[in-house]
Amino acid sequence: DTGVSQNPRHKITKRGQNVTFRCDPISEHNRLYWYRQTLGQGPEFLTYFQNEAQLEKSRLLSDRFSAERPKGSFSTLEIQRTEQGDSAMYLCASRPKPGTGGPEAFFGQGTRLTVV
Amino acid sequence: GDSVTQMEGPVTLSEEAFLTINCTYTATGYPSLFWYVQYPGEGLQLLLKATKADDKGSNKGFEATYRKETTSFHLEKGSVQVSDSAVYFCALRTGGFKTIFGAGTRLFVKA
Repeated sequence: DTGVSQNPRHKITKRGQNVTFRCDPISEHNRLYWYRQTLGQGPEFLTYFQNEAQLEKSRLLSDRFSAERPKGSFSTLEIQRTEQGDSAMYLCASRPKPGTGGPEAFFGQGTRLTVV
Repeated sequence: GDSVTQMEGPVTLSEEAFLTINCTYTATGYPSLFWYVQYPGEGLQLLLKATKADDKGSNKGFEATYRKETTSFHLEKGSVQVSDSAVYFCALRTGGFKTIFGAGTRLFVKA
């Protein structure tokens, strides 16, 4: 399967713990996005990478959130000192290099986080 | 800022019924428009897209036409199946980097 891969699919954690999610984009896609989706809502943009550079961060991304893409391939999203309000589906998406491919983003299956 | 508004759900239909899910948008510039579908417990799958005015996107019997004059991109299907039960998201992207989504419309199709 050459789609966007996210791990883990599900994560249950206690309030105050740190969690880390991983995203492997489609090969040769140099643009990578993280979104958050809460129940009954559409995905909301969190952050954007082009290669290893983090070019944009939403105001939704508080200081407890950090994302990296160290070699321009996979990315990690870490949440420190989790709160119950962090419970959501975290979606990763990728797009090919500018000037190639269509306008659409390709999404992974998401990581569902439950903070208890 | 850019935004997408779609009809609230849930929408409940019998099998073989006609489906319309309304979507309107506000955007600066000329956005690309999308419909994504999300099955239970899954991520988003692109259903169809249109990149300029009057384009019609189509896939799996679903269609949507990019109407610049009414800033709309309504999703239609002539005969729904139980397997079409899912949440449908209308979305747009302008020249920027991010995709903006509507709140989603849940569709239930009864046998």
